[in-house]
Amino acid sequence: DAGVTQSPTHLIKTRGQQVTLRCSPKSGHDTVSWYQQALGQGPQFIFQYYEEEERQRGNFPDRFSGHQFPNYSSELNVNALLLGDSALYLCASIYDRVGRYTFGSGTRLTVV
Amino acid sequence: AQKITQTQPGMFVQEKEAVTLDCTYDTSDPSYGLFWYKQPSSGEMIFLIYQGSYDQQNATEGRYSLNFQKARKSANLVISASQLGDSAMYFCAMREGQAAGNKLTFGGGTRVLVKP
Repeated sequence: DAGVTQSPTHLIKTRGQQVTLRCSPKSGHDTVSWYQQALGQGPQFIFQYYEEEERQRGNFPDRFSGHQFPNYSSELNVNALLLGDSALYLCASIYDRVGRYTFGSGTRLTVV
Repeated sequence: AQKITQTQPGMFVQEKEAVTLDCTYDTSDPSYGLFWYKQPSSGEMIFLIYQGSYDQQNATEGRYSLNFQKARKSANLVISASQLGDSAMYFCAMREGQAAGNKLTFGGGTRVLVKP
């Protein structure tokens, strides 16, 4: 049974460009969360999707947006990229009632 | 104020010895959950152990145990009989409120290096 899968694994973009990251949650998991992890820091919550709607949002600007599809997969879009957006982007899905998350291996985004 | 504080940026531990990783938290919500995750160099966050705020006993999962001191708002992770594969970053995280889907707030992490 595949866990959370993310694509691509690595990405290099130029300042001002737009990027889309993709996530497929573990089979049967319907809630997907996205986290940004800057180098040397802990992950920070971006937003969460459930039933194709954004349910919670962290302290991130509107340049960060997302989408969830009927099959529960999700996309994270970032517009007008800044150098500070360089980070590991982690996708996670919840697998039990206490809120244990299964994480993917992330997408490493570098903005130059 | 920081919601999750991990004061040890890095630690060395001898193989087969035990190591304690510190975590203090700050919340006014009576219902919360505390998590520890391991992050090897591959990047994936691996769930280790969970403690609910109303749990009476300290959580244990194999070689991992959580020293939960509610009054002191601390949730230290103890890894017994360290193995070389335990070398990784370790993150403490908190979920506030009862809803399982609530976001996790992470600390800054502790890097553990196990020496043979």
